[in-house]
Amino acid sequence: AQTVTQSQPEMSVQEAETVTLSCTYDTSESDYYLFWYKQPPSRQMILVIRQEAYKQQNATENRFSVNFQKAAKSFSLKISDSQLGDAAMYFCAYWTQGGSEKLVFGKGTKLTVNP
Amino acid sequence: SAVISQKPSRDICQRGTSLTIQCQVDSQVTMMFWYRQQPGQSLTLIATANQGSEATYESGFVIDKFPISRPNLTFSTLTVSNMSPEDSSIYLCSVRQGGNQPQHFGDGTRLSIL
Repeated sequence: AQTVTQSQPEMSVQEAETVTLSCTYDTSESDYYLFWYKQPPSRQMILVIRQEAYKQQNATENRFSVNFQKAAKSFSLKISDSQLGDAAMYFCAYWTQGGSEKLVFGKGTKLTVNP
Repeated sequence: SAVISQKPSRDICQRGTSLTIQCQVDSQVTMMFWYRQQPGQSLTLIATANQGSEATYESGFVIDKFPISRPNLTFSTLTVSNMSPEDSSIYLCSVRQGGNQPQHFGDGTRLSIL
C-alpha cells in the first residue's frame, strides 16, 4: 500500500524568507501524481501544486516550487518570499490512476510565518 | 476549477441523532468523494460517491453509519448516523473532473457532537 510521510510536524519561517517542507512516499507504481495541499484555519483544502511522476522537470507555481526526486521517493515543497497568508497546515498527497482513486495524505506540517 | 458548496459549514448535534451534509458542484464532475478529518489529524477517505449506484466504502466505514447519495453529476449527500462524540470531525467533499485532473475540495463541515 502507498504511504506518505511528512517528518516535520511543525515548521516556522520569517516573513520574506524561504522554507522547505519535506515529504517522502512509498509506492511500487511507476506512474503517479503528487500534490501539496494547504489548509488554513478556515479548514478549506487548497491545491498548491502538483507533480506528474513521468515529468523530470520540477513543478513551479509562483512562489511555490517542488524538488521531486523520483528515485529517492522524495517530494519537498519550497516556499519563497514567505507571506503571513502562507501560514497553514500543508499536506503532501499521492494519487495514481486506475486504483481506488483515493488521495493518500501525509500527516501534515503546520507552518507558522513570523512577522 | 469547479466551485464546490458544502452545507452546513458547522453544526453541533446531540448524540444519537443524524445529520446530512450536502455537497453541490457548479459543473458536472466524474468523481465525488467524502473525507473525514478528525481533530489534529490528516484526511481519511470515507467513500467514493457513485452516480446512480451505491457508494464504494473504504475499510472501516459502513453504509449504515455513513449513507451516501449521489442522484446526479453535481450533487451528493453524506449522512452521519447515530452520532457519538467520536464522530466529531471535519467532513469534506471533494470532486475530480476526470482524466488526470486533481481533486478539489469543498470548505468542509465542522461537526461537534455533545
